[in-house]
Amino acid sequence: SQTIHQWPATLVQPVGSPLSLECTVEGTSNPNLYWYRQAAGRGLQLLFYSVGIGQISSEVPQNLSASRPQDRQFILSSKKLLLSDSGFYLCAWGQYTEAFFGQGTRLTVV
Amino acid sequence: TQLLEQSPQFLSIQEGENLTVYCNSSSVFSSLQWYRQEPGEGPVLLVTVVTGGEVKKLKRLTFQFGDARKDSSLHITAAQPGDTGLYLCAGDISGTYKYIFGTGTRLKVLA
Repeated sequence: SQTIHQWPATLVQPVGSPLSLECTVEGTSNPNLYWYRQAAGRGLQLLFYSVGIGQISSEVPQNLSASRPQDRQFILSSKKLLLSDSGFYLCAWGQYTEAFFGQGTRLTVV
Repeated sequence: TQLLEQSPQFLSIQEGENLTVYCNSSSVFSSLQWYRQEPGEGPVLLVTVVTGGEVKKLKRLTFQFGDARKDSSLHITAAQPGDTGLYLCAGDISGTYKYIFGTGTRLKVLA
């Protein structure tokens, strides 16, 4: 069966520090991979998606970047965090219909 | 630009009442999914609708996909406190690889 791992679960980082969130998928090959950000009690905003290794599409101009160095690995990064980067970040994999999520990372920038 | 608009945004009802949540878009979707999310966790898939006009039932939940595949609804009959949560519609826009989510409906069912 397929599983998705995302870490860390919570993170507190100072403004201006770098960020690296990692997500890995097991049990499937060539999945579509997604990074979302969610404001409290609201829907998910699509940040990045990838349909293959090295292929990254950005949905919203921002202070973040994404990379897919391996088929089942998706990384969300920032060189210098802003206060506005705080939020709940979710990684997901899918095959065009349906998405399956990791447990999410609660990022607080202080 | 939010491509999937949900209404209402918030809903607080008494146990036993019925409710309907709507998900609307100007875009055509290959399929639409409904998820439920608990605080601090990722969304969990409830159902997928694929065909225009399709109706699916999951116990007390009824899901419908619009004929033009641009909208969907979720109807809950005799709501229970256990139905409390954030409900999200989502879908892949036809002809793209984008998988987007609706604005969300926060439901609270009071005992």
